[in-house]
Amino acid sequence: AQKITQTQPGMFVQEKEAVTLDCTYDTSDPSYGLFWYKQPSSGEVIFLIYQGSYDQQNATEGRYSLNFQKARKSANLVISASQLGDSAMYFCAMRDNYGGSQGNLIFGKGTKLSVKP
Amino acid sequence: DTGVSQNPRHKITKRGQNVTFRCDPISEHNRLYWYRQTLGQGPEFLTYFQNEAQLEKSRLLSDRFSAERPKGSFSTLEIQRTEQGDSAMYLCASSFGTGSSPLHFGNGTRLTVT
Repeated sequence: AQKITQTQPGMFVQEKEAVTLDCTYDTSDPSYGLFWYKQPSSGEVIFLIYQGSYDQQNATEGRYSLNFQKARKSANLVISASQLGDSAMYFCAMRDNYGGSQGNLIFGKGTKLSVKP
Repeated sequence: DTGVSQNPRHKITKRGQNVTFRCDPISEHNRLYWYRQTLGQGPEFLTYFQNEAQLEKSRLLSDRFSAERPKGSFSTLEIQRTEQGDSAMYLCASSFGTGSSPLHFGNGTRLTVT
């Protein structure tokens, strides 16, 4: 069955430093997509970055990049130059077609990132 | 693009009452999703629509839950005979197609059942 695992319940990072949030996934479908979302304490769920299983290069979006290691089934989010506003919950999510699912995302339990000044 | 809108933002109800939430997706998006999020967890899929057709329902969606999307525009999620275990954040999201299209989420409706 499809599954997303985020093993870090909480992380601390010093402002202006880089941080890596871990995500591993499991799927039997060769075609899938991986997404990262941010959820600040205010509650909105914000899309950050996408990586497709057939993409040759790691995705980047501003200060966000995705370290995609297909053989290890990992899709870690790297945030460079952390800012205080990056303090939030971060969710890794996957979309595949396993079991007939048609487009919905399966989410991990999330990692709470706290940026220290 | 005004984003996904959900109403109400908060709802407090007594156990046994019925509640209804509304979601207005991004206008050009053909897919609409409902998720539920409890404290300390990621969003859990409930159901989704492509246009007006409800194409998939999670096992989390008991018989007390019903969702509609008349005319393929806004959607409503109704919970009948609410239970304390229904207390959660109910998130609506929309997307255009699948593949690499991300889901765009609304701010959610927080339900508290007393």
